[in-house]
Amino acid sequence: EPEVTQTPSHQVTQMGQEVILRCVPISNHLYFYWYRQILGQKVEFLVSFYNNEISEKSEIFDDQFSVERPDGSNFTLKIRSTKLEDSAMYFCASSEGPLTGAGTEAFFGQGTRLTVV
Amino acid sequence: QKEVEQNSGPLSVPEGAIASLNCTYSDRVSQSFFWYRQYSGKSPELIMSIYSNGDKEDGRFTAQLNKASQYVSLLIRDSQPSDSATYLCAALSWGGGADGLTFGKGTHLIIQP
Repeated sequence: EPEVTQTPSHQVTQMGQEVILRCVPISNHLYFYWYRQILGQKVEFLVSFYNNEISEKSEIFDDQFSVERPDGSNFTLKIRSTKLEDSAMYFCASSEGPLTGAGTEAFFGQGTRLTVV
Repeated sequence: QKEVEQNSGPLSVPEGAIASLNCTYSDRVSQSFFWYRQYSGKSPELIMSIYSNGDKEDGRFTAQLNKASQYVSLLIRDSQPSDSATYLCAALSWGGGADGLTFGKGTHLIIQP
């Protein structure tokens, strides 16, 4: 069964360092998303990406964050200068079409746990 | 600002009974609604989506939507211990692009054997 894969599963980084979280969406999917979940809190939308550009972003997704699809398979989230409050589980998701379509589902990867120390 | 509210629980239900999970949303523009199941430390997994007022059934699960009351619910019949998880309600407003989901904090469901 096709799945969204994320690497690494756990990343520890020092405050102020840059991190890149990597995702391989499902191959025929065209819509890509990043979400984060701080421990014990709700899943929060960060950004969506379609047709090689950002489609929508939340208030959380400030200038410290960027996304890129460097090739035909990877989708990355970069945090330029990590802060302690960036510690969270980061989920990548992908969908074949927009979620407005009946039967269109966003498939989530298993997440990368980012710990900023 | 869009908000999705859920009772965090825990909601404890005996095995074999019906579990009823509720969700309200603040944004009248929200048009699509989703129920996800999340086991501890794992990623969200879609259970059901619902777009129109009324009931939608899929196996042991029934989603109910009332847009006038801005209320969504999920019923789980014949609850099993494996249904013990956190259930996340999510709403989507159609903006014409790759719109993001707004999640509630989730209801922790415990099925007692």
